[in-house]
Amino acid sequence: GQQVMQIPQYQHVQEGEDFTTYCNSSTTLSNIQWYKQRPGGHPVFLIQLVKSGEVKKQKRLTFQFGEAKKNSSLHITATQTTDVGTYFCAGSNTGKLIFGQGTTLQVKP
Amino acid sequence: SAVISQKPSRDICQRGTSLTIQCQVDSQVTMMFWYRQQPGQSLTLIATANQGSEATYESGFVIDKFPISRPNLTFSTLTVSNMSPEDSSIYLCSVQRQGGDTQYFGPGTRLTVL
Repeated sequence: GQQVMQIPQYQHVQEGEDFTTYCNSSTTLSNIQWYKQRPGGHPVFLIQLVKSGEVKKQKRLTFQFGEAKKNSSLHITATQTTDVGTYFCAGSNTGKLIFGQGTTLQVKP
Repeated sequence: SAVISQKPSRDICQRGTSLTIQCQVDSQVTMMFWYRQQPGQSLTLIATANQGSEATYESGFVIDKFPISRPNLTFSTLTVSNMSPEDSSIYLCSVQRQGGDTQYFGPGTRLTVL
């Protein structure tokens, strides 16, 4: 069945450093979504990418969708302690979401 | 987005018992889903809750263990039956509006089975 792989599993950075998480699907996706889950919280929708090669920005966050619509990345510039949490990608090609394993980001002040 | 509430927010249960989790959304939505998130893990889809008909279960999940109801477009319940410690997880409902793929999650129910 469809699989969505996400790396790295964990990332520790110093505040101010950049952070990137990568997501790869075994099949072509109709869209990919990104969620953030704070410690003790629930997943919160960040963004959806639909078009091949699409790039979207939200302040310090940059999201990319690959040309083949099988991979995606989330890049955070100059991390802050408020960025702490687990970032999940979720791929869709049947209307159902398949979640990656998530990348847990720790930021040292 | 949507405002979603879940009850209970957490519970500690004895093995062999059952717990029913409620999910309420503030407006009508097309799709409602139930997920399980085991400690430190990702989200796994249990089933799609269908309004007025039987839920659609994913591989590895069965109706006898996880009966689901969805009597209307704003409410659903998930029952975790005959619980064992392996059922200790966070259970999350999510909703999706017509014409969209984005899912919005409830706050989750943290279940511990002793």
